[in-house]
Amino acid sequence: GAVVSQHPSWVICKSGTSVKIECRSLDFQATTMFWYRQFPKQSLMLMATSNEGSKATYEQGVEKDKFLINHASLTLSTLTVTSAHPEDSSFYICSAHLVGDYNEQFFGPGTRLTVL
Amino acid sequence: AQRVTQPEKLLSVFKGAPVELKCNYSYSGSPELFWYVQYSRQRLQLLLRHISRESIKGFTADLNKGETSFHLKKPFAQEEDSAMYYCALSGIGGAQKLVFGQGTRLTINP
Repeated sequence: GAVVSQHPSWVICKSGTSVKIECRSLDFQATTMFWYRQFPKQSLMLMATSNEGSKATYEQGVEKDKFLINHASLTLSTLTVTSAHPEDSSFYICSAHLVGDYNEQFFGPGTRLTVL
Repeated sequence: AQRVTQPEKLLSVFKGAPVELKCNYSYSGSPELFWYVQYSRQRLQLLLRHISRESIKGFTADLNKGETSFHLKKPFAQEEDSAMYYCALSGIGGAQKLVFGQGTRLTINP
């Protein structure tokens, strides 16, 4: 159990276009999901906390108008990279928080975004 | 400020040798500490957490509040332990965000 999926697994787009990445908790409900960004050979950097039914909380330095997050249901959060540029090329990873005895996040497989 | 430091980017040991991956943290309060592992071509997954005090796949980690450390140890390394290891911390309770260290790539040589 506790599986998180991401779609697409990789995407290539032209500069100036927008790209939407989906994060789904497949077998549990997640009121909170997290979006991370990982540059090559670097660690995960939290971008934002996505809360179901409310606005996302962005980390310092992350442009909320650039990275739109929508968490419209208990199993789906989406990250839209608007007007993408080559510097937005990265590996985007989501996680979903499972409510239980322990505070645990389950991670998706990641989405590789390449902006040409 | 919340910070996790893993001083070693790369660590290479021989099969059967002891392994220790270092992790130090700074946090104003009582954090929860984790070790996550990422095997080749797989997603990040939880290895262990300090509050459960378990041994997973032979790995253990003890939270040392005096030294603000949470080092990961295994007495006898196996080849399948080769992976990327991340130390992380969060606050306690609820859906808390994770702060990750830079990661240590562990390679077990045959």
